[in-house]
Amino acid sequence: GIQVEQSPPDLILQEGANSTLRCNFSDSVNNLQWFHQNPWGQLINLFYIPSGTKQNGRLSATTVATERYSLLYISSSQTTDSGVYFCAGGIQETSGSRLTFGEGTQLTVNP
Amino acid sequence: KAGVTQTPRYLIKTRGQQVTLSCSPISGHRSVSWYQQTPGQGLQFLFEYFSETQRNKGNFPGRFSGRQFSNSRSEMNVSTLELGDSALYLCASSLGGGPYEQYFGPGTRLTVT
Repeated sequence: GIQVEQSPPDLILQEGANSTLRCNFSDSVNNLQWFHQNPWGQLINLFYIPSGTKQNGRLSATTVATERYSLLYISSSQTTDSGVYFCAGGIQETSGSRLTFGEGTQLTVNP
Repeated sequence: KAGVTQTPRYLIKTRGQQVTLSCSPISGHRSVSWYQQTPGQGLQFLFEYFSETQRNKGNFPGRFSGRQFSNSRSEMNVSTLELGDSALYLCASSLGGGPYEQYFGPGTRLTVT
């Protein structure tokens, strides 16, 4: 099956700093999402981005499908950005809606 | 449009018992997937149902089962609970039938004592 590698596993920032999270896939995927898990455990959708670039406020994401990686950018970080960020991918034709998750990046933003 | 709902939100069971969790997808979504999250194993796929049929299954023992009803609501059942089944169980819904975005519910936190 697909292997998903996220880096870094942990990241500590000062408020206002920028950061880049990376996700590598062992195979080409046509279903790729980024999530933020809130303190209560719910996975909040950030981006659905099998290819290309998207932006939403201070967050943006880029997926280079041909090279099997995706990047999540967080600019001007805030303490409320703290939490675990997951990327997940799948291949619809062979696995339906199944997503394989990375191990996550634990982000801590200090005031 | 209402989001994905899961019931119950919290559950405490004893080893050997069985449990049923419920998931109601977003209106119009036909695919429901279930995931287990534990500190040691991370997020792992259990199974996916699409139009009342199991379309995909992860690597879990037969004690874990599920079903989907005609209104797309889904249930998962775990029989003969073990301590290691303590986890956050998340369900996700999507339109299905293609590589569509998935939306997750708030989860059911199961504790087995």
